Amino acid sequence: EAGVTQFPSHSVIEKGQTVTLRCDPISGHDNLYWYRRVMGKEIKFLLHFVKESKQDESGMPNNRFLAERTGGTYSTLKVQPAELEDSGVYFCASSHQTGPSETQYFGPGTRLLVL
Amino acid sequence: AQSVTQLGSHVSVSEGALVLLRCNYSSSVPPYLFWYVQYPNQGLQLLLKYTSAATLVKGINGFEAEFKKSETSFHLTKPSAHMSDAAEYFCAVSAYNQGGKLIFGQGTELSVKP
Repeated sequence: EAGVTQFPSHSVIEKGQTVTLRCDPISGHDNLYWYRRVMGKEIKFLLHFVKESKQDESGMPNNRFLAERTGGTYSTLKVQPAELEDSGVYFCASSHQTGPSETQYFGPGTRLLVL
Repeated sequence: AQSVTQLGSHVSVSEGALVLLRCNYSSSVPPYLFWYVQYPNQGLQLLLKYTSAATLVKGINGFEAEFKKSETSFHLTKPSAHMSDAAEYFCAVSAYNQGGKLIFGQGTELSVKP
């Protein structure tokens, strides 16, 4: 069974540019989460999809971030325009069921550097 | 609101020595607690989780953690460190009414000396 995959693994862009991150969850997993780790800080929740619906987007930092999950399969996270403080590692995770005890399976992350 | 504190951003042990990584949580509702490990250039991998069953939880690679409600702790231990245990370890809490989102501690980098 393939794990959670993320693309690209690394991205270096200039301030003001747009970047789109992609996450492919484990097949059959309805729940998809995005997290971010800014350097030196803890991993923080961004948002949660159940199928194609946004269940919780309380962690999205501002309206420069747009997440989609069309068709309830893969998800994209777009940052437009990117700012210096958006640099960090963006993790995607998926789980089969919704609930606090469910194991979330993480992808390897996308390392974003905004110059 | 839930929170997690990991004491020590860096821990160094000798090969064969006890590994102890500390995690304290704050939660107004019964918590679900997780330990994840991240090896270099990989994603986070679940080591173990506490879901209100046994307070002593055994995980993969010889790790275990004990839930202590009175101390609001969930420390991770391994009796004998191996070189391959060098990685970053994350403690996280998930609350019953939060849809499963995880709240992480700051992470602890474990180094193992030969």
